[in-house]
Amino acid sequence: DAGITQSPRYKITETGRQVTLMCHQTWSHSYMFWYRQDLGHGLRLIYYSAAADITDKGEVPDGYVVSRSKTENFPLTLESATRSQTSVYFCASSDSGSGYEQFFGPGTRLTVL
Amino acid sequence: QKEVEQNSGPLSVPEGAIASLNCTYSDRGSQSFFWYRQYSGKSPELIMFIYSNGDKEDGRFTAQLNKASQYVSLLIRDSQPSDSATYLCAVDTGGFKTIFGAGTRLFVKA
Repeated sequence: DAGITQSPRYKITETGRQVTLMCHQTWSHSYMFWYRQDLGHGLRLIYYSAAADITDKGEVPDGYVVSRSKTENFPLTLESATRSQTSVYFCASSDSGSGYEQFFGPGTRLTVL
Repeated sequence: QKEVEQNSGPLSVPEGAIASLNCTYSDRGSQSFFWYRQYSGKSPELIMFIYSNGDKEDGRFTAQLNKASQYVSLLIRDSQPSDSATYLCAVDTGGFKTIFGAGTRLFVKA
């Protein structure tokens, strides 16, 4: 499928478990982003990547790990899930970093019990 | 802390009216400004972007930028029920950091 996809779309896990959210894009965009969206906070940047093997922290990186071994994939791992990480997670990609449109995936709704 | 502020709403307008959505930002060095629309349960999608002071029109949508006042707005003319959504203002502060506002919920009454 063309575009940007995320999996799983819904996930329920327990406190302390490791969870990995997957993101895949077919446009060969250089830049990829992970956001979380919580009521009243809008979208907050967790991590971003400018290219394969280049990643950097965003506004709220604590408790998350990313990797980018291939241009098209950008997985987000919660090392030890906490209830405060219950959120909707959006992956996005862009042809460039600054000043350009970001294309968003459908989102993953994560619940940590 | 760089911020983007929006009135959370809901903003309710009758069908056919003009909806006016406003956004202020704190970083004077910001260069690029975006409006995304997000339907309930869906992902954001870009509807307008603006880089220069003044107005930019695209169909029923007009984005307005005033860098001196650090103010961005979105006007939706002839509002339709299908415009009912949350509108996110986003500001590019440089260095790959786009800051999103919390969004304004718009409800267009048929």
